[in-house]
Amino acid sequence: DSGVTQTPKHLITATGQRVTLRCSPRSGDLSVYWYQQSLDQGLQFLIQYYNGEERAKGNILERFSAQQFPDLHSELNLSSLELGDSALYFCASSAFRDRGISPLHFGNGTRLTVT
Amino acid sequence: GQQLNQSPQSMFIQEGEDVSMNCTSSSIFNTWLWYKQDPGEGPVLLIALYKAGELTSNGRLTAQFGITRKDSFLNISASIPSDVGIYFCAGHDSNYQLIWGAGTKLIIKP
Repeated sequence: DSGVTQTPKHLITATGQRVTLRCSPRSGDLSVYWYQQSLDQGLQFLIQYYNGEERAKGNILERFSAQQFPDLHSELNLSSLELGDSALYFCASSAFRDRGISPLHFGNGTRLTVT
Repeated sequence: GQQLNQSPQSMFIQEGEDVSMNCTSSSIFNTWLWYKQDPGEGPVLLIALYKAGELTSNGRLTAQFGITRKDSFLNISASIPSDVGIYFCAGHDSNYQLIWGAGTKLIIKP
């Protein structure tokens, strides 16, 4: 058990809809990362937050947004969903921000299916 | 952007065989991390390497941080069925951005 909790585990929704994915980081970790993994693909970095502030942005679509709350949990909001957004969405957490060489610890993901 | 070259892309192995995979980059990295992902689950950290030349073992797994700081390998000795999965390398580049390899899929031959 990595200590990173993601909910829900599965999500099925229709095109055009909006969903929210939730992540609780490991106790003590201040950084939260979001990744997208499409079928049989690698991990695509979306965004990183550190202690409530956006720290780094990857290939995140404008239809997607995220935030980290004072209690350090994070939410990833996906809107105007398209079929191609169907994927596994992973949250990971780590202890550091800058010069952060702390490894990431991943949750078990949310499987999003857009129909 | 920065990329890691991870090879091989996939491997078919017999139970009991030793396995080797590696990652290379065109620039210096500050860390090398090796993860394993089982189907439908999140990647799990196997080994973390922080210094050039560092050689670290975790059970039957051994990984090394290349002396040039541009590569790393992961070896698995005497593979067993539960070793199947996707292995990812990752590393922090000179800007401390975490870069990922595309993964090596390990498959046991029937």
